[in-house]
Amino acid sequence: KAGVTQTPRYLIKTRGQQVTLSCSPISGHRSVSWYQQTPGQGLQFLFEYFSETQRNKGNFPGRFSGRQFSNSRSEMNVSTLELGDSALYLCASSPRGLDQETQYFGPGTRLLVL
Amino acid sequence: GDSVTQMEGPVTLSEEAFLTINCTYTATGYPSLFWYVQYPGEGLQLLLKATKADDKGSNKGFEATYRKETTSFHLEKGSVQVSDSAVYFCALGGSGSARQLTFGSGTQLTVLP
Repeated sequence: KAGVTQTPRYLIKTRGQQVTLSCSPISGHRSVSWYQQTPGQGLQFLFEYFSETQRNKGNFPGRFSGRQFSNSRSEMNVSTLELGDSALYLCASSPRGLDQETQYFGPGTRLLVL
Repeated sequence: GDSVTQMEGPVTLSEEAFLTINCTYTATGYPSLFWYVQYPGEGLQLLLKATKADDKGSNKGFEATYRKETTSFHLEKGSVQVSDSAVYFCALGGSGSARQLTFGSGTQLTVLP
């Protein structure tokens, strides 16, 4: 099976712009979670989607939003970018059944805000 | 709330040395526990996991045992290789239907030939 894929891999934006990142989960996985990784704050949970519904949300401002499509692909959007949004954004998917608590990560999208 | 405390790095070892990376957690209930590894420029790879007390997860020579009495999940490997150089993250699973992982701060491991 193909792993989690994320596009684009690298992105450079300027302050005030908005950005959309995309994630395709492992085939058959319906849960998709997003994380932000920075040197200062480490790995922080953004949100989780399951069957097109946001099921769980971390402590991030409303500028961070996401959605999930009927094929389980997910996008996250960051509006009005700030310098502090520079980070590696990781997407993870989870299967159903006995392994449902395990998350499988993609390679990430590295966002640089200038 | 849930939290994970992980051994501070960086850790530098010679090839074939014994590795221990300490991880302790605070959580309500009985969460699953995970170790993930991150190689430079890559995402996180699942290394091993344990879903209940006294479970031992193992993979590629790495082992960790879920100790409820000490709320710990220390990572060990008997003989490290240069290729094990990476950042290692201990993580706590969510409770109920929540799928979020709570991560430790990560431990940078460098193995010298």
